[in-house]
Amino acid sequence: QVHLQESGPGLVKPSETLSLTCTVSGDSITSAFWGWVRQPPGKGLEWIGFIYNSGTTNFNPSLSRRVSMSLDTSKNQFSLTLTGVTAADTAIYYCARAQGGTQVFYFYYMDVWGQGTTVTVSS
Amino acid sequence: IQMTQSPPTLSAAVGDRVTITCRASETIDNWLAWYQQKAGKAPKLLIYDASSLGSGVPSRFSGSGSGTEFTLTISSLQPDDFATYYCQQYNSYSPKITFGGGTKVEIK
Repeated sequence: QVHLQESGPGLVKPSETLSLTCTVSGDSITSAFWGWVRQPPGKGLEWIGFIYNSGTTNFNPSLSRRVSMSLDTSKNQFSLTLTGVTAADTAIYYCARAQGGTQVFYFYYMDVWGQGTTVTVSS
Repeated sequence: IQMTQSPPTLSAAVGDRVTITCRASETIDNWLAWYQQKAGKAPKLLIYDASSLGSGVPSRFSGSGSGTEFTLTISSLQPDDFATYYCQQYNSYSPKITFGGGTKVEIK
């Protein structure tokens, strides 16, 4: 059974960098594609981006200047970094497995999700 | 590509047949998924490729449509189905993945 678990600080100061990690069990991060989705309080879902098993990334254009993602194959983890955060970045952040194909740069649905981690941007 | 769900809120009783609609601002072929989200929980995949049932999802859930108009149907609403439902398009010719605004299914 595949399980994803997000971790990282729950509070980040404005203009600083948000860093989150997703630990994967039950699957290898080198054999699938992975993504991040966020949900502001009381609002809908926003796709942040995908990281493919080669390390190639594909980001939401509205966030692309501030976002990066990486793989750590030794720990079977992948990570999200978001720079220059503001209050608008306050949200629940979910990591997820992308499913439905094997082509890099393509988009997919997400079949397994982490429980989510709440990040608040405040001084 | 913008995804518009209707209705935003739906009141229904246990046993009712429920239909939720998702419209895309341009064609997405069948690149559409449906998710169920309960309060305080992560989304759960229900349907992918517009009409394929996700693993372990009860058969009372079904999806249909292609192009720009899609529906999620719950054939007989169960107590466990009261939640918010989201559609998601994943057409790779689009600049990004987008979700619908959600439909909250409430107890009547």
